[in-house]
Amino acid sequence: KAGVTQTPRYLIKTRGQQVTLSCSPISGHRSVSWYQQTPGQGLQFLFEYFSETQRNKGNFPGRFSGRQFSNSRSEMNVSTLELGDSALYLCASSLVAAALGEQFFGPGTRLTVL
Amino acid sequence: AQTVTQSQPEMSVQEAETVTLSCTYDTSESDYYLFWYKQPPSRQMILVIRQEAYKQQNATENRFSVNFQKAAKSFSLKISDSQLGDAAMYFCAYRGPNTGNQFYFGTGTSLTVIP
Repeated sequence: KAGVTQTPRYLIKTRGQQVTLSCSPISGHRSVSWYQQTPGQGLQFLFEYFSETQRNKGNFPGRFSGRQFSNSRSEMNVSTLELGDSALYLCASSLVAAALGEQFFGPGTRLTVL
Repeated sequence: AQTVTQSQPEMSVQEAETVTLSCTYDTSESDYYLFWYKQPPSRQMILVIRQEAYKQQNATENRFSVNFQKAAKSFSLKISDSQLGDAAMYFCAYRGPNTGNQFYFGTGTSLTVIP
């Protein structure tokens, strides 16, 4: 099975712009979660989508939004970018019914805001 | 909300030696799952080992084992016979039954393996 894929791998934007990141989960996985990773902060949970519905949301401003399509692919959007949004954004997919709840991570998208 | 604490930002170990990474967590739930993830410099996060809270037996995966102390809310990772490929960031993570699929991660421990 192909792993979780994320595109693009690298992005450079300027303050005020918006950005859309994409994530394709492992085939058959219906849950997709997004995390922001910064040095010293670790992984901060953004949100989780399951069957096109947002199930959980972390403590991030409304500038961060997402959606999930019927094929389970997910997109994350950040509007009005700020310098502090520079981070590695990780996507993870999982089989919701799996008892041990392992999440499989993608390689991430490195976002740099100038 | 659940919190996961990794008090060792950096650790180092000599090749072939043993190292233990610490993790504590805070929760009011009685049944949950704990994980250790490894993130090598290439950035792909991979699962190292997992533990179900209702199991008393500590999980083991080859050279990796955990010391799960439920009452103390402690979940340490022991790496035996350390290899150069073990060098990475290690994250401890918690997943509970009442938080959907949300994982709570610690801030990570950077492990250096010295040849």
